[in-house]
This record gives sequence, structure tokens and C-alpha cells, in this order.
Amino acid sequence: AQSVAQPEDQVNVAEGNPLTVKCTYSVSGNPYLFWYVQYPNRGLQFLLKYITGDNLVKGSYGFEAEFNKSQTSFHLKKPSALVSDSALYFCAVRDHSGGYQKVTFGIGTKLQVIP
Amino acid sequence: DGGITQSPKYLFRKEGQNVTLSCEQNLNHDAMYWYRQDPGQGLRLIYYSQIVNDFQKGDIAEGYSVSREKKESFPLTVTSAQKNPTAFYLCASTSGAKSGNTIYFGEGSWLTVV
Repeated sequence: AQSVAQPEDQVNVAEGNPLTVKCTYSVSGNPYLFWYVQYPNRGLQFLLKYITGDNLVKGSYGFEAEFNKSQTSFHLKKPSALVSDSALYFCAVRDHSGGYQKVTFGIGTKLQVIP
Repeated sequence: DGGITQSPKYLFRKEGQNVTLSCEQNLNHDAMYWYRQDPGQGLRLIYYSQIVNDFQKGDIAEGYSVSREKKESFPLTVTSAQKNPTAFYLCASTSGAKSGNTIYFGEGSWLTVV
């Protein structure tokens, strides 16, 4: 069975500082990996995904994520945090080993950017 | 604009009552999903459909029902058998359920039992 772990319930960072939101995964085959952001009372918005190729993936709003196969990690990063980045962030994984594979979401990490 | 529309945004259910949440997409996506979101538990899959007239149970299907009569529509009924229905419900869709295609979400619907 596939799984996703987001080890931090909340991450606090000062505005202008770099931010990292951690994600580790477990799948039987090769993974598709996704990051989403959710603002209060809203749906999830897609930020970026890793399918194959370059391990550093760039996405929306200046976010990027690094795929590390040996550590089974896909941490979300941004060089300089904005107060408007404060939201709930979800990591997700799908195993593309064949057949229908559902997407498994982590429990989310709340990012608080402090002015 | 293309997207996923969920309605209503807020819905109140009385004990013993069935309610239906609407989900419509104009993205021409084949696969559609319903998720339930509770604080601290992330998203849990209720039902999914890969094609019209076909759907499968997810992880927490008990007390819920769906239909997929049209490609663009995937309504969710919360039945009286669902004992704890108060939650935020999210509909989603993707063009391919077996690939790395992105899943897109609607804006969600709040269901509260009164």
C-alpha cells in the first residue's frame, strides 16, 4: 500500500526567509508526486508535480520541490516566504506501476508566515 | 472558464435526511472523485468514477452513494446511514486516472448536521 507522511503539523517561518515543507512517501513502484495548497474554506489548488526527469520541479507562485529517490522524499521549498503563502499544504502520491492507482494524500502541513 | 463547480457551498442536514451534493465539470475529464476532509485527517476518498456509468467505492464509501450518468456530472448523496456526515466535501477530476495527470479540485461544500 502506498502512503505519504508530512511529519510537521505546522511550520512557522519569518517573511522573507526560505521555507521548507517536508514530505516522504512509500510506493511499490515509481511515484508520481504532487503538491497542493489550500486556503481557508477553499478547494485544493495544484502547485507542482514530479513525473519523471529532472529532480528539481518548479511550480506556481515561486514554489519548487526536490525529488530524492534514495530518501523517498519530495520536500516543498520557496526561497523567500510571503505572508500570503500562509495556508495548508498537501503532498500526494500515486504509484504508476500499472492499473488504476488512487492518489494518496498526506494529512497536511499548516504554513504560517510571520510578518 | 473551465473548471469544477460544486453546489451548494453550505448545506444543513437534519437527522434521518438524505442530501445530495452537486459536482459539475466542463474540463472534459473522464475520471471524477469525491473526497471528505476532516481536520487533522487529510483527504479520504469516498467514491471515484473512471468513466460514465461506472464508479467504484473508495476508502469510506459506507453511508454514501453516487451516480455517473453524464461525463460532466458526479453527484454525491449523503444518506441517513452516514452517522457522522459533518465535514468538508471536495469533488475532483482528472483526464486520466492511470497516469501522472493532475487532479483538479472544486471549491468544496460544507455539510453540517443540525
